[in-house]
Amino acid sequence: DVKVTQSSRYLVKRTGEKVFLECVQDMDHENMFWYRQDPGLGLRLIYFSYDVKMKEKGDIPEGYSVSREKKERFSLILESASTNQTSMYLCASRLTGNRGYTFGSGTRLTVV
Amino acid sequence: DQQVKQNSPSLSVQEGRISILNCDYTNSMFDYFLWYKKYPAEGPTFLISISSIKDKNEDGRFTVFLNKSAKHLSLHIVPSQPGDSAVYFCAASGGSNYKLTFGKGTLLTVNP
Repeated sequence: DVKVTQSSRYLVKRTGEKVFLECVQDMDHENMFWYRQDPGLGLRLIYFSYDVKMKEKGDIPEGYSVSREKKERFSLILESASTNQTSMYLCASRLTGNRGYTFGSGTRLTVV
Repeated sequence: DQQVKQNSPSLSVQEGRISILNCDYTNSMFDYFLWYKKYPAEGPTFLISISSIKDKNEDGRFTVFLNKSAKHLSLHIVPSQPGDSAVYFCAASGGSNYKLTFGKGTLLTVNP
């Protein structure tokens, strides 16, 4: 069974901290995505990567960066966490040419 | 500019009855549509999809209808069960990169 694994289910960080959210997939998928989900706002794309070392900004990249050094791993970095980055973060992956994504279980991040 | 719209934030139905979730889109380039289901504290899971060359796709209790002229799709769940209670996201893709655009979601509550 295909899997997308997010390293933490729940995370509490302090304002100003540098935060790393990790996502690993075991499906040899080229494409990987980071979304955040907020009530009333749905799923909003932060960054995506079509392949190793490639990255593109999504709809809300401000305050975030990403790293894709290996095909299976896509990291989301909050350079200096702020309270408005408290959210559910969802990682997804997809084979190039496929239409649907496989999502991880999500990381609920709280910034205090 | 919201290209995929789910205008009903919530829907409540009785167990055994039909649930109808609606989705409208504005981008004429969209040619593939998906529905995802999401439980709290979990990632979205794929439910059903439809290509623009079809107007209906069925999978067990779930049927998706596509009206291309109206740029409208709907998800029918018959009969509804309490375990169907979740947030349902409509998503669309098209053009060269197949990136998914999501609606804001509809919270379905099925009452016993």
